[in-house]
Amino acid sequence: EAGVAQSPRYKIIEKRQSVAFWCNPISGHATLYWYQQILGQGPKLLIQFQNNGVVDDSQLPKDRFSAERLKGVDSTLKIQPAKLEDSAVYLCASSLDTANEQFFGPGTRLTVL
Amino acid sequence: EDQVTQSPEALRLQEGESSSLNCSYTVSGLRGLFWYRQDPGKGPEFLFTLYSAGEEKEKERLKATLTKKESFLHITAPKPEDSATYLCAVDYGGSQGNLIFGKGTKLSVKP
Repeated sequence: EAGVAQSPRYKIIEKRQSVAFWCNPISGHATLYWYQQILGQGPKLLIQFQNNGVVDDSQLPKDRFSAERLKGVDSTLKIQPAKLEDSAVYLCASSLDTANEQFFGPGTRLTVL
Repeated sequence: EDQVTQSPEALRLQEGESSSLNCSYTVSGLRGLFWYRQDPGKGPEFLFTLYSAGEEKEKERLKATLTKKESFLHITAPKPEDSATYLCAVDYGGSQGNLIFGKGTKLSVKP
């Protein structure tokens, strides 16, 4: 069974630029999550989708971050404009449903200069 | 405020030296407690889910236990390949599936 795919794996941008990350979850998984993991910290949930609807985006900085999950499969997370403090690993995870264990992708390491 | 605290932050063991990692939580309405392993440059890898106090689960050299206030991850006779960061997360009374993660314990096992 293929795992969660993410791209790109690494991205370096300057502050005030925009960036987008892509995630393809495990086939059949209804729930998709985006997390931010700052060095030395545990992952922090940014947004949770159930199929193509948003379940929880309470911790998403909506003035600069946006996410969508078209057709209930792939998802993109965008940052516009980026700030220095956005430097982190962005993890995508998926699960069969909200009550099941989450499976994580390899992450995208973002560096904002 | 809901919190998940892991200790110690880092642990160095000799191969074969058993030990335990701790995860204490202060959340209301715990729906599940999860343990993950994270290797450098990779996403967290699922290990266990525990749902109620007294529950235990085992996988190879790892055993996870749960009480009403904390969980332990026991590592028996560890090998160098067990070196990783171990993350604890709780699914609490927020949106189902909304996990709060601890900062993790970085385990190093020397041969």
